Parts: sequence; structure tokens; C-alpha cells
Amino acid sequence: DAGITQSPRHKVTETGTPVTLRCHQTENHRYMYWYRQDPGHGLRLIHYSYGVKDTDKGEVSDGYSVSRSKTEDFLLTLESATSSQTSVYFCAISETLAGLQETQYFGPGTRLLVL
Amino acid sequence: GIQVEQSPPDLILQEGANSTLRCNFSDSVNNLQWFHQNPWGQLINLFYIPSGTKQNGRLSATTVATERYSLLYISSSQTTDSGVYFCAVGGGGSRLTFGEGTQLTVNP
Repeated sequence: DAGITQSPRHKVTETGTPVTLRCHQTENHRYMYWYRQDPGHGLRLIHYSYGVKDTDKGEVSDGYSVSRSKTEDFLLTLESATSSQTSVYFCAISETLAGLQETQYFGPGTRLLVL
Repeated sequence: GIQVEQSPPDLILQEGANSTLRCNFSDSVNNLQWFHQNPWGQLINLFYIPSGTKQNGRLSATTVATERYSLLYISSSQTTDSGVYFCAVGGGGSRLTFGEGTQLTVNP
């Protein structure tokens, strides 16, 4: 399972409050990703990281920020949660070979409900 | 960006039947992966297959990169094969674009 954990696994929060989701990996992978999954949209990339302090935006990055101060942790922050951010959030890592990105492996997901 | 289209959107089978899931993509890719999301929401990587053919037990996949499609074959389906199958493609760098998936239901 590539040693990926996410916390919390479930969260209910109110509109306007800040929320931070954590992704933790134990196998020293360089690339980490945050996706959201919504009905009718599959999985969409929010942000990704290619190393400590190195991050970039995905296709749905508005309203989200990320930080990676250690190789093993990738944090996703909703500065002021909105109901449109109710979703299931997945973290993933890429297992690379010879410097190329290859297979992605996913964490168990976090269900976030914004009331 | 790259567009990914999966078909069919829904598929219902009897246990023991075979099936073929298709993934079309709009541009050349150097990364293509198939995933299975089980009914509990867990996403499992099935294949990394930007070109060629691979097999793993009852599952196999073929990607024809020059014609921009990939096929996932499931033989002798079992109820545990139920879930959503996603195709994801990348044209460069580390970003993947996912299709909307095929919802597979295998009835006993």
C-alpha cells in the first residue's frame, strides 16, 4: 500500500473555517499529490509536490494551498472552507524508476463535509 | 489539456463473463495507468501501460499509443471485480488526467 496514511479520515466543518488535511508517507518518495473526487468528475489534481518546499498547482487549485516541509508530509489547507469544497480528498505518491514518474499509489482518502 | 474519455460509463455483468473497458485520449502520452476503486473507496493501481500489453492474472491491458486508446480486459469476472475503473494519462511531467471512470457491477 506504499505506506500512505491520511488524517483525518472524516471531517465535518463549517463554512469559513480553516481546514488542514495531512498526508504522510513512510517510503521517502519524492513526488506527492492531492486530488479531489466528486461525482461526474473523476479525480482532479489540486496540487502536487516534487520535493521539500517544491510544489505546483494542478487543475483545481483555487481556494487551496499546500506545504511540504519534510519529505514524508504533504499538507493541504483550505484557508476558508466553502460548501463547494465538500469532497473526498486523496493523497498519492509516485513510485519512480530511473528518474521517470511511473505508478501512482493512493492513500485511503479523507471525506470532508463543509456545512 | 489532454482529454480522457472512458466507455462504457456503466457495465453490468454476470459472474464469469468477460468484459472490455476502453479509454480514449486526445493527445500523445508518455504515461497511462489503470486504477480500480473498490466499493469501499480504495484506489488500487492495476497497470502502468503507456504502450504495449501487460497481463496480471485475469486482467490484461493494451495501449495503442499511435491510435490514442487503451483497453482493459477482465476475464471470468468475479463479484470482487465490482467498482469503478479509471484510466489516467500524462503527457509530460508528473501530472495525470483522469477519465470519469467505468462503473462495473458483477452480479453473482
